Amino acid sequence: GENVEQHPSTLSVQEGDSAVIKCTYSDSASNYFPWYKQELGKRPQLIIDIRSNVGEKKDQRIAVTLNKTAKHFSLHITETQPEDSAVYFCAASSPGYSTLTFGKGTMLLVSP
Amino acid sequence: DGGITQSPKYLFRKEGQNVTLSCEQNLNHDAMYWYRQDPGQGLRLIYYSQIVNDFQKGDIAEGYSVSREKKESFPLTVTSAQKNPTAFYLCASRTRTDANTGELFFGEGSRLTVL
Repeated sequence: GENVEQHPSTLSVQEGDSAVIKCTYSDSASNYFPWYKQELGKRPQLIIDIRSNVGEKKDQRIAVTLNKTAKHFSLHITETQPEDSAVYFCAASSPGYSTLTFGKGTMLLVSP
Repeated sequence: DGGITQSPKYLFRKEGQNVTLSCEQNLNHDAMYWYRQDPGQGLRLIYYSQIVNDFQKGDIAEGYSVSREKKESFPLTVTSAQKNPTAFYLCASRTRTDANTGELFFGEGSRLTVL
């Protein structure tokens, strides 16, 4: 089955800095890679996703890049703000499977 | 107001007791999922269902059971056979079952503590 590794487990940055979270996956057939954000005490919510037919996707201060050859994808957050503080989960999914395999999460702390 | 409702939010149980967590959705989603969240472990899949009266085991199904008698409901029973039941449980749903893409909508979770 699919295995998703996520790094780092914790990340502390100063407000205004950039943050990068990296994930690797094992199944070369995987073609869908979403990122979820879970604020403290709240439910996870989708913030951005990418499919294997594109290499990069942006949404305001958030971007995701995908390297299919190396089987890794990354979340980039620019101009971080305190409200970006949360746990971020990457995930991967393969065609024919209706489930997502999640990474273990990255706790991002943005200090004012 | 559409969404996924989980209950109870907090639950305490004595060892040896079964407990059932409720998950109801009014999003008309076909697929429903149960995840377990432990610190540093991410979200691990317990069971999922793509259609009424059908469900499949996830990665950590041992000690759990589910039913899917109605499209809107997907209750999870944590049995006494589950060795480490204390955890945060998240229910989720998704609109499509014939593809592996699409947003998962999560409930607010149920925190189970075994005393």
